[in-house]
Amino acid sequence: QERLAESGGGVVQPGGSLRLSCAASGFTFSVHGMHWVRQAPGKGLEWIAVTWSDGSKSHLAASVRGRFAISRDNSKNVLYLDMHELRAEDTATYFCARDYSPVGLQWKDLWGQGTLVTVSA
Amino acid sequence: SYVLTQPPSVSVAPGQTATISCVGGVLQFLKIHWYRLKPGQAPSLVIYDNSNRPSGIPERFSGSNSADRPTLTIRGVEAGDEAYYYCQIWDYGEDAVVFGGGTYLTVL
Repeated sequence: QERLAESGGGVVQPGGSLRLSCAASGFTFSVHGMHWVRQAPGKGLEWIAVTWSDGSKSHLAASVRGRFAISRDNSKNVLYLDMHELRAEDTATYFCARDYSPVGLQWKDLWGQGTLVTVSA
Repeated sequence: SYVLTQPPSVSVAPGQTATISCVGGVLQFLKIHWYRLKPGQAPSLVIYDNSNRPSGIPERFSGSNSADRPTLTIRGVEAGDEAYYYCQIWDYGEDAVVFGGGTYLTVL
């Protein structure tokens, strides 16, 4: 069964760092672009980042550029999101999502359940 | 860059037809995708490439993209359809995914 499972969320102080992981199973991870998408409490979906299937290229939303980094380990079938200089407005549930295409330009056909990140003193 | 605007809410009676629009400039040359999000659940794809249904999505769900007004239509609405619905594009100019603000479908 195809599955994505996020982990690594928790409570972190403003200015702190956190690494999220997304474990993929049941499909060939290395042929799909992968995304991180978040949803702040009471807000809509916000796209954060995408990485190509081979990890050679990535794009980040302007709101997190310079603070967050997306990466992947295709040998372990894991997607990562490294978050630094965290702010209160980064508080959200973070979802990983699989893209139909290798370069992440198409639709997201598989999503994880999400992991909650709370930035608070 | 694109900003996709959706109505915040749509309400329909069971069995009726719900229509959710997604407005944001010249969209007719882009592919529009639609997702459903229920509280506490993972988002799920309901329409891709404007009008295609993934396996498992009933024929009651359809999509169109004409006259720069992408639309998600749900016929014969059921109580279980109550959820947030989001449209989404890839912005080639910004190399970014753009989501609409979301529409909450209420089944009366």
